[in-house]
Amino acid sequence: GAVVSQHPSRVICKSGTSVKIECRSLDFQATTMFWYRQFPKQSLMLMATSNEGSKATYEQGVEKDKFLINHASLTLSTLTVTSAHPEDSSFYICSARDRVRGNSGANVLTFGAGSRLTVL
Amino acid sequence: KQEVTQIPAALSVPEGENLVLNCSFTDSAIYNLQWFRQDPGKGLTSLLLIQSSQREQTSGRLNASLDKSSGRSTLYIAASQPGDSATYLCAVEGGKLIFGQGTELSVKP
Repeated sequence: GAVVSQHPSRVICKSGTSVKIECRSLDFQATTMFWYRQFPKQSLMLMATSNEGSKATYEQGVEKDKFLINHASLTLSTLTVTSAHPEDSSFYICSARDRVRGNSGANVLTFGAGSRLTVL
Repeated sequence: KQEVTQIPAALSVPEGENLVLNCSFTDSAIYNLQWFRQDPGKGLTSLLLIQSSQREQTSGRLNASLDKSSGRSTLYIAASQPGDSATYLCAVEGGKLIFGQGTELSVKP
């Protein structure tokens, strides 16, 4: 089955540093990837939609200069949290849509296992 | 703007009980609805996906229904077990996947 790998699974960093999270589709090509953020005891909030070869589409209230998204290939999207602060500490989850099976109309979003960011 | 609401927010039942989780959404123009399970600190496990043209889907002890016109879905869990304890999330897709807040289920032995 389709697998999405997210790395790192956990990261601790100092305030002011930048952190990069990778999302890879291992056995399929993904033209679209989605990035979500989840605070403790809360649901997943869509941050942005990442399209291969073009700029990401950010949801209202998400700072595009703070959360840099790059989708340079059909199997890799990266989320960089720039100048991280303690309030950016959260669980970040990506999902990817299969380029081929996605055209059938069925939802073939596959989720990564998530990355827990702690900013000290 | 699509809004997804799940009721109840938390539920605690004794082992063996049948239970129903509810999900409602405001915009009926969806492609599909999906139920997920999330264990604490973990990612998502897809349980059931219902296309907009379907009324229900079943997998083992799980049955999900969809009434698109009224904007409602239910997840029925039969003969609950302690291993079913988790947070259950419903999500609707109309181009992007929008999640509800989840129902935290605890099944007591």
